[in-house]
Amino acid sequence: GQNIDQPTEMTATEGAIVQINCTYQTSGFNGLFWYQQHAGEAPTFLSYNVLDGLEEKGRFSSFLSRSKGYSYLLLKELQMKDSASYLCAVNPRIGNYQLIWGAGTKLIIKP
Amino acid sequence: EPEVTQTPSHQVTQMGQEVILRCVPISNHLYFYWYRQILGQKVEFLVSFYNNEISEKSEIFDDQFSVERPDGSNFTLKIRSTKLEDSAMYFCAIPGGRDRVSYGYTFGSGTRLTVV
Repeated sequence: GQNIDQPTEMTATEGAIVQINCTYQTSGFNGLFWYQQHAGEAPTFLSYNVLDGLEEKGRFSSFLSRSKGYSYLLLKELQMKDSASYLCAVNPRIGNYQLIWGAGTKLIIKP
Repeated sequence: EPEVTQTPSHQVTQMGQEVILRCVPISNHLYFYWYRQILGQKVEFLVSFYNNEISEKSEIFDDQFSVERPDGSNFTLKIRSTKLEDSAMYFCAIPGGRDRVSYGYTFGSGTRLTVV
């Protein structure tokens, strides 16, 4: 089967750093996505990893290890507006854009 | 201005009624996708639409669902006979960039469908 696991909820402090983990077991792999979703809104694209290693985009970085079926999203200098759900999604095969989605990690930022 | 506009933003309908959800991209796209998200649950793929044809659909996308591109610009998702379990947010999405994989999706703002 296809499965993506993320922690349900995390809490962090404004200004700090938080790492949100994602593990996946899918029939194939053609890339992993991270999305941010505020309550009642659509997901917005954050990052894409298809090769092993770290991709950095400003305050957000995403890491991938294909051999371990593992990714993390690192958020630095946390701001209150970063309170949201963070969704991990995998594209399981080339030519297919039917993503497999994790349930999301709800991140709560405290002052 | 959003790249993808969805209407209505919220629709309440009685069980058994037909609903049509609309999606209008700001520019022409060959690829379209419909997803749904039941409150508190995962995003689920419904259907992908390429060049005026369905290219892939999930098990959720059964005979009560249909997609159309009625006038070359906007896209519709029709649910013929709604059930309580169809209550969800419905999102349309387009590729986020020319490379339709590495930029992810751009989602519309969504339609919240409530079946009563």
